[in-house]
Amino acid sequence: QSALTQPPSASGSPGQSVTISCTGTSSDVGGYNYVSWYQQHPGKAPKLLIYEVTKRPSGVPDRFSGSKSGNTASLTVSGLQAEDEADYYCNSYAGSNNLIFGGGTKLTVL
Amino acid sequence: EVRLVESGGGLGQPGGSLRLSCATSGFSFSIYSMNWVRQAPGKGLEWVSYITGSSSTIYYADSVKGRFTISRDNAKNSLYLQMNSLRAEDTALYYCARSVQFGFDIWGQGTMVTVSS
Repeated sequence: QSALTQPPSASGSPGQSVTISCTGTSSDVGGYNYVSWYQQHPGKAPKLLIYEVTKRPSGVPDRFSGSKSGNTASLTVSGLQAEDEADYYCNSYAGSNNLIFGGGTKLTVL
Repeated sequence: EVRLVESGGGLGQPGGSLRLSCATSGFSFSIYSMNWVRQAPGKGLEWVSYITGSSSTIYYADSVKGRFTISRDNAKNSLYLQMNSLRAEDTALYYCARSVQFGFDIWGQGTMVTVSS
């Protein structure tokens, strides 16, 4: 199973919105509503931001939102803040008892 | 406070074995499915294995199937990963992570495994 495709990098200025895409196939992203997003700061463990495409765990700011269209899921970060600078990963259930991640996107706050 | 603390990492020989442990606290461990996820140095995340609360269902990534064994002891609130036939490509930081609907909501800080002669 191939990894999900994410852009290697994204950037935005403070206060702006940035959207990160996560492209798979009909066998993973497109076939199930089990897409999650994680934020990882350098040297730290990943943190869950979004699960089941659009759901936010308690404590995650509503500046983070998720969506999906066809085989592509997206994470939107609104009102960018300096502390949002981090790596972001998507993951999806891929059927056949398999879970796959995207390659990660480095978000830079300009 | 919910906590996951991994241990057992270190230097392993190619073809050798290591056993990782994940001690948990702050939640009802036995009712949650758990996972191991790894991250090679400077690389992305890779799911390794999954186990349900009762240990009745277990899954593995193709890259470790037949070499790694996941298990748990609900009496000790602990998760384990027995790693056999180690390869250089198994070198990574290994995280234990609690499941939420095919995602991972709580993560430990990881334990580093280096496979080298």
